[in-house]
Amino acid sequence: DAGVIQSPRHEVTEMGQEVTLRCKPISGHNSLFWYRQTMMRGLELLIYFNNNVPIDDSGMPEDRFSAKMPNASFSTLKIQPSEPRDSAVYFCASSSRENTEAFFGQGTRLTVV
Amino acid sequence: DQQVKQNSPSLSVQEGRISILNCDYTNSMFDYFLWYKKYPAEGPTFLISISSIKDKNEDGRFTVFLNKSAKHLSLHIVPSQPGDSAVYFCAASGFFIIQGAQKLVFGQGTRLTINP
Repeated sequence: DAGVIQSPRHEVTEMGQEVTLRCKPISGHNSLFWYRQTMMRGLELLIYFNNNVPIDDSGMPEDRFSAKMPNASFSTLKIQPSEPRDSAVYFCASSSRENTEAFFGQGTRLTVV
Repeated sequence: DQQVKQNSPSLSVQEGRISILNCDYTNSMFDYFLWYKKYPAEGPTFLISISSIKDKNEDGRFTVFLNKSAKHLSLHIVPSQPGDSAVYFCAASGFFIIQGAQKLVFGQGTRLTINP
């Protein structure tokens, strides 16, 4: 298996633009997590899905952030409009019912200028 | 509300000595704890875990200790090697009935540097 695949690896965008981050979880995994890495809060859980259904989005910082999981093999995290303070590394992770450990993608480094 | 806390942002240890990384949690619903290791420009990778029914789990040079009454866990690395230099994240998981699924919550991370 190729592991969790995130795209793009790097994204530089101007303030106010829409940004879409993509994630393909490991095949067969039923939980998917979106995290944001910051210096202050470490790996901050934004939202997670179980069987494609959003379970807890309390970590989503603002209404500018939204996430979808239209099927078991794809999820998006969208920021509209983006702001400089959104600059961070965003990670997607997936896990299965049998394993509590989550497997992470390589992350998307977002820079909003 | 930081449910999982790593109060030491960084730690420097000499090669061959023991590295001890600490983690505290607040939510008593957590019943499974994990440590992840992260190198620059890579995603975190799973290192070792422990269930709340145990107080110790060992895997080679890595041992995790859990003190449920204190809501505290620690990761011991002995002997420490230069390749252990990385950021270590503590994570906690629990099945939250209301939410109907496992939730994995991480701490802020501790940057470990092993000096030759």
